[in-house]
Amino acid sequence: AQSVAQPEDQVNVAEGNPLTVKCTYSVSGNPYLFWYVQYPNRGLQFLLKYITGDNLVKGSYGFEAEFNKSQTSFHLKKPSALVSDSALYFCAVRDMSGGYQKVTFGTGTKLQVIP
Amino acid sequence: DTGVSQDPRHKITKRGQNVTFRCDPISEHNRLYWYRQTLGQGPEFLTYFQNEAQLEKSRLLSDRFSAERPKGSFSTLEIQRTEQGDSAMYLCASSSEGDREKLFFGSGTQLSVL
Repeated sequence: AQSVAQPEDQVNVAEGNPLTVKCTYSVSGNPYLFWYVQYPNRGLQFLLKYITGDNLVKGSYGFEAEFNKSQTSFHLKKPSALVSDSALYFCAVRDMSGGYQKVTFGTGTKLQVIP
Repeated sequence: DTGVSQDPRHKITKRGQNVTFRCDPISEHNRLYWYRQTLGQGPEFLTYFQNEAQLEKSRLLSDRFSAERPKGSFSTLEIQRTEQGDSAMYLCASSSEGDREKLFFGSGTQLSVL
């Protein structure tokens, strides 16, 4: 079975400060990992993905994520937060070994950037 | 690229009625997914199509749920004999063969079962 955990329901950060949104995963084989963002009244939008290769992945809107196999983590980061980054962020995983297309999402972390 | 379209945006129905939702994926995308999302939760996988073939179904998808993608383009999700527990946001997503891991989501259909 595959799963992700987002331990924080909400993260508050001041505008201009670095932000981190945490995610840990569990899979039987090797993971595909993703981050999606959901703005109010809008659909989920893809931010970035880790498939293989460099552990630091860069994505949209200045976000990046670091894959750490030993800690089974895939934390989302941004060096300087913007008020417009305030949204709901979902981490997701797909187990490469199963051959299935099912992607499992976490419960989401609400990011609040304070002006 | 007009994005993934879902219709209707909102549906209110009485318990026991049947409902059908439609999804129009991005035109060149051959992969289509249905997810369900309830308040405070992440999207839950329901089913996956590659072209017109339904290749995966979640155990969440009871026999009251059926999905089709008859010509490999648009898809429909039907729920028969709706129950209050079916109330949720139903999300459709699509992806291309060239970048299959990048899902494009529609805005969803919000179902309320009274």
